[in-house]
Amino acid sequence: AQTVTQSQPEMSVQEAETVTLSCTYDTSENNYYLFWYKQPPSRQMILVIRQEAYKQQNATENRFSVNFQKAAKSFSLKISDSQLGDTAMYFCASLGGSNYKLTFGKGTLLTVNP
Amino acid sequence: DVKVTQSSRYLVKRTGEKVFLECVQDMDHENMFWYRQDPGLGLRLIYFSYDVKMKEKGDIPEGYSVSREKKERFSLILESASTNQTSMYLCASSLWAGPSGNTIYFGEGSWLTVV
Repeated sequence: AQTVTQSQPEMSVQEAETVTLSCTYDTSENNYYLFWYKQPPSRQMILVIRQEAYKQQNATENRFSVNFQKAAKSFSLKISDSQLGDTAMYFCASLGGSNYKLTFGKGTLLTVNP
Repeated sequence: DVKVTQSSRYLVKRTGEKVFLECVQDMDHENMFWYRQDPGLGLRLIYFSYDVKMKEKGDIPEGYSVSREKKERFSLILESASTNQTSMYLCASSLWAGPSGNTIYFGEGSWLTVV
């Protein structure tokens, strides 16, 4: 079984600053994948970034990067140079390599203030 | 671009009604999913299908059933809607997962209110 925990229900940041969203997970899989999804007020869930557990290098996508600590089972998302359009609910999720099911955390509501 | 389309964005149904939520994807994905999203609970998997006519229960299947007669279409059925099924329902699809962890793509969601 997989579990994903996001301990920050809400966060806020000033425009242009950096913010880090926390996520911890637990899994019995040896081969698994981790994701951050963004859900803006329009409700369309969008993939932000993904990380293969077998890769030691942290994934990056433009202003978004992760800090993947496999031993600690931690997968935090860093957003640099925050923009107003980054305001959204962010979900951390895990996918075990031997099954199809994506397990989500409860989400963190990020507000970027002007 | 992958397109996952949920036919109804907003529905209001009465208690006891049979409700169909339809989802279509256009990328020939094998896997399709129905999630339910509630504030403070995140997304919870109701059912998923890994092939036509194949389905597996997710974490909260009670009160729901599904149908997948064609590869591109996955329907969620509430046999007798109840007020505790008022929620946002998200459909998703992905390629055959296997060991590659293919990305899952979501529809825009269907807001269901049961009165």
